[in-house]
Amino acid sequence: AQSVSQHNHHVILSEAASLELGCNYSYGGTVNLFWYVQYPGQHLQLLLKYFSGDPLVKGIKGFEAEFIKSKFSFNLRKPSVQWSDTAEYFCAVTARAAGNKLTFGGGTRVLVKP
Amino acid sequence: GAGVSQSPSNKVTEKGKDVELRCDPISGHTALYWYRQSLGQGLEFLIYFQGNSAPDKSGLPSDRFSAERTGGSVSTLTIQRTQQEDSAVYLCASSVGTGTGNTIYFGEGSWLTVV
Repeated sequence: AQSVSQHNHHVILSEAASLELGCNYSYGGTVNLFWYVQYPGQHLQLLLKYFSGDPLVKGIKGFEAEFIKSKFSFNLRKPSVQWSDTAEYFCAVTARAAGNKLTFGGGTRVLVKP
Repeated sequence: GAGVSQSPSNKVTEKGKDVELRCDPISGHTALYWYRQSLGQGLEFLIYFQGNSAPDKSGLPSDRFSAERTGGSVSTLTIQRTQQEDSAVYLCASSVGTGTGNTIYFGEGSWLTVV
């Protein structure tokens, strides 16, 4: 079945460490790609999105993601994390092949130790 | 409105009762989604309304779940004969259109607890 996969379920790292969260999808054709973040006790917020153009997308709070079409990937990165980045991160995809329904990966819980 | 509005924000109900959850999308948004987020789980797609087309109901977990969208705006998710496993946060989202290039915005959710 077509899907969105996030390889890491839990990530623990120290402040100032670099973060990279993997996301792969299996849809062909035109896709839109998103990363959402959910801070503890809060609702989903959009971090960044890719529709077209430059495959390196910059979002809020120093996050960026790179769309690699040949690898069906949209990995999220941040060079130096802060304690306040502790949250759950969700990759999501809309694909014309799937009727433009927004499909989420399983999420990655990130804990940044001070 | 400024954002996606959901009500109630919290609902505690007894097992076997019916509940209705309301979503008021961003004004002018033609696409509306319902998701469920259970404790420790990811986001589970429930149903998707896209303009005047027939809704995509493929994610509804059982026939106890139904949703309507009246007048292309407000949507109501109804859960009949609630069970304890229905306890979750029910999230509504909307977007301007249904094609590619649309950002999807989420409400704050309705936290349902079935006791």
